[in-house]
Amino acid sequence: DAMVIQNPRYQVTQFGKPVTLSCSQTLNHNVMYWYQQKSSQAPKLLFHYYDKDFNNEADTPDNFQSRRPNTSFCFLDIRSPGLGDAAMYLCATSRDAAAYEQYFGPGTRLTVT
Amino acid sequence: GQQVMQIPQYQHVQEGEDFTTYCNSSTTLSNIQWYKQRPGGHPVFLIQLVKSGEVKKQKRLTFQFGEAKKNSSLHITATQTTDVGTYFCAANFGNEKLTFGTGTRLTIIP
Repeated sequence: DAMVIQNPRYQVTQFGKPVTLSCSQTLNHNVMYWYQQKSSQAPKLLFHYYDKDFNNEADTPDNFQSRRPNTSFCFLDIRSPGLGDAAMYLCATSRDAAAYEQYFGPGTRLTVT
Repeated sequence: GQQVMQIPQYQHVQEGEDFTTYCNSSTTLSNIQWYKQRPGGHPVFLIQLVKSGEVKKQKRLTFQFGEAKKNSSLHITATQTTDVGTYFCAANFGNEKLTFGTGTRLTIIP
């Protein structure tokens, strides 16, 4: 089945130790999104790629970076995780613009010790 | 920035009772989508509304888009335990992004 896959599902990192989360999709969608979701809160958009074009949200900290080497894969890099970065990180895809539904992966739960 | 308010934040209902959640924007929307997130799960798309005054139904779920395209509602008739979760509206203001509402967490008392 076509889907959005996130690895790992759970990630524990130390304060200040760089970490990379990965997302892959078999849907061949043009748009890939990264969201941060903290407990009992709505998903918060960090950035998205429209094909190869990177779009950063104004309030996304510089500590968060992303790469999209090809259509299928997208990575979230956290350069120096702080305790406040502990959250669920959700990857989503959309066929084209936001006029289309978003397909979410299962998420990676990040713990910072 | 563009925000979408959603109420109520929590709703506890007896099984079989109805449930409604509302979303409001101060800005006209291009479209609005609804997602359901089960406890421990990820958001799953339910529906998209595009036209002014649009009403769509999915079994016991009824979705409405306001005439001014600034508000929307989701109504569930005769709730069941499988309806448990958080319901999010997600607004599109005419670009590639969705702005999620704050969500309404529905719990069902059997």
